[in-house]
Amino acid sequence: DAGVIQSPRHEVTEMGQEVTLRCKPISGHNSLFWYRQTMMRGLELLIYFNNNVPIDDSGMPEDRFSAKMPNASFSTLKIQPSEPRDSAVYFCASSLAVQRRLPGELFFGEGSRLTVL
Amino acid sequence: AQSVTQPDIHITVSEGASLELRCNYSYGATPYLFWYVQSPGQGLQLLLKYFSGDTLVQGIKGFEAEFKRSQSSFNLRKPSVHWSDAAEYFCAVGSLKTSYDKVIFGPGTSLSVIP
Repeated sequence: DAGVIQSPRHEVTEMGQEVTLRCKPISGHNSLFWYRQTMMRGLELLIYFNNNVPIDDSGMPEDRFSAKMPNASFSTLKIQPSEPRDSAVYFCASSLAVQRRLPGELFFGEGSRLTVL
Repeated sequence: AQSVTQPDIHITVSEGASLELRCNYSYGATPYLFWYVQSPGQGLQLLLKYFSGDTLVQGIKGFEAEFKRSQSSFNLRKPSVHWSDAAEYFCAVGSLKTSYDKVIFGPGTSLSVIP
């Protein structure tokens, strides 16, 4: 069974350009998370979807960041315009919370390494 | 709000030696605790988790962790480390707020293994 699939694996762009990161969660999972990982700040939760609905976007840094989940098998994280401080590895993770009151195991993609020059 | 601390940024052990990685959490109610491992260039993989019941939990790759409520700790252990265990290890705490789940990760501990 395929895991969480992210694309692109690597992205190098210039400041001011739009960046779109893509994620395909594991089929059947009902929760999707976008994380950002940097040396300085570690793993930060950016946004969380449940059943395709954004539940918590309090971690989104600013209005330049937006995320969508148009259906259960696809999500995007967009940065427009990008800045050098956005350079990081962006992870998508999905989970299936079998019981409503228990957090499910997170399955991570391999990440998208973004470099903004 | 919940938080997770991992006091050791980096640990080096010899292959075959025992290992203990420390994790302390702050959470008002019963926490849900996790350990994840990240190999270079990869995403995170779940090693083990604690929700309730037996405070000593077994995970994959020979790892175990013990939940100690009195110390607010969830330390990860392995009796004999292999070179392939070199990786970044993250402790995480689950939070249930209203109707959704949210996992907060600690800063991570980098493990190096000397042959």
